[in-house]
Amino acid sequence: DAGVIQSPRHEVTEMGQEVTLRCKPISGHDYLFWYRQTMMRGLELLIYFNNNVPIDDSGMPEDRFSAKMPNASFSTLKIQPSEPRDSAVYFCASSLLAVRNEQFFGPGTRLTVL
Amino acid sequence: TQLLEQSPQFLSIQEGENLTVYCNSSSVFSSLQWYRQEPGEGPVLLVTVVTGGEVKKLKRLTFQFGDARKDSSLHITAAQPGDTGLYLCAGAEKLVFGKGTKLTVNP
Repeated sequence: DAGVIQSPRHEVTEMGQEVTLRCKPISGHDYLFWYRQTMMRGLELLIYFNNNVPIDDSGMPEDRFSAKMPNASFSTLKIQPSEPRDSAVYFCASSLLAVRNEQFFGPGTRLTVL
Repeated sequence: TQLLEQSPQFLSIQEGENLTVYCNSSSVFSSLQWYRQEPGEGPVLLVTVVTGGEVKKLKRLTFQFGDARKDSSLHITAAQPGDTGLYLCAGAEKLVFGKGTKLTVNP
C-alpha cells in the first residue's frame, strides 16, 4: 500500500487566495483526520470523519476553513480566504477502526501564506 | 493550556547516552500513544500503553504509563543518531497531542 497520500507537498500563496489541500487515505480505513502543526501550538486536530461523515469539527479555527469527504478515497481541506496566520504544515491521517487505533499520517502539506 | 505537557522541549545529547522524556497531564487517559516524527514526514506510531503502571519495551526504548494514567515516560538507552526526531505523546481517545520533545543525538 502507498500509505496516506497528500497533495500538494508545498503550497505558497498570497493572502486572500483560496487554498485546497487534498488527501487520499489508506484503502479500507474508516477514519480520516486533518491536523495542523505549528511550532507555537504543536499538532492540533481540526476535524475527523468516520465512513465519510464528519464527526467532530470543533477544531476548525473559523468559517474560513471547510473540509469534505465525498467518498472513501478522497478528502479536501479548503481555506478561503487564506491569511498569513494559516501558515503551517497540514497533515492528513487515517486509521482502520476505532479512534484509539494507530493513525497513519501522510507526509504533510507545508502551506505558506504571504 | 496544553492538555498534555511534554518535557523537556529540546534535548541534545551524545551518542551512547541515556535519556528520559516525559508526558504529563492533569487528566486521566484510558490510553496514551507515543509517536516519532522525522523532519519532512508525518508522525509514526511507536507504542500504545493502556494499563496503569504498564511498561513496554521496544528494543532500546522503554515506555511507562503512570499508575494513575495521567502521565507517561519514554526512556532511551544508549541513544544513537538514528533516534533523532520529535517525540510526541498523544491521548488516543481525546485525539490530543503534546507539543513534543525534539531530540538530537550527536555522533
